[in-house]
Amino acid sequence: KQEVTQIPAALSVPEGENLVLNCSFTDSAIYNLQWFRQDPGKGLTSLLLIQSSQREQTSGRLNASLDKSSGRSTLYIAASQPGDSATYLCAAAGGGATNKLIFGTGTLLAVQP
Amino acid sequence: SAVISQKPSRDICQRGTSLTIQCQVDSQVTMMFWYRQQPGQSLTLIATANQGSEATYESGFVIDKFPISRPNLTFSTLTVSNMSPEDSSIYLCSVKGRNQETQYFGPGTRLLVL
Repeated sequence: KQEVTQIPAALSVPEGENLVLNCSFTDSAIYNLQWFRQDPGKGLTSLLLIQSSQREQTSGRLNASLDKSSGRSTLYIAASQPGDSATYLCAAAGGGATNKLIFGTGTLLAVQP
Repeated sequence: SAVISQKPSRDICQRGTSLTIQCQVDSQVTMMFWYRQQPGQSLTLIATANQGSEATYESGFVIDKFPISRPNLTFSTLTVSNMSPEDSSIYLCSVKGRNQETQYFGPGTRLLVL
């Protein structure tokens, strides 16, 4: 049974810092891994999707990496801004018709101005 | 991307009552997903809803408690039946994009059961 863990649970950094959020998963047989952002009182916004055959994906100041062999993914945020403050969730998609997503518990990020 | 709306956005309900949550998507999709996010927890999949067939429920979730309708390719409802305070959660509707991989979420329905 796939289990997804995120460390740290909460993180506070000053504006401008680069930071890394960690995600680990127990079953390396994933179809893809997705990173989402959740703002208070709102739904989830998809940030990046990494296919199982890929090592990383980049979008603007965000870079996500995937190491299936070690069961890890990281989300790197460069030059953090107060607007980056949110909860970041990773989710591992299994195989099969639905590619069901198993979510981690999230990292609550606060970027201090 | 897909634009998803949910109604109601929030509600406060009494124990023993039922609430039906609506999910509308701006494009036709094969599968729609219903998730629950309990306070301080991450998201848990309740069921997958396909148009024209019964929903597929995950372990720990049953149709009598969470009946789902999927009358067409852009709409679904989730009913939370005979509610108790433990049902207080955010309920989110989700679909996959055209690439059938990236998943999009509605804004959620925040439910408080007293």
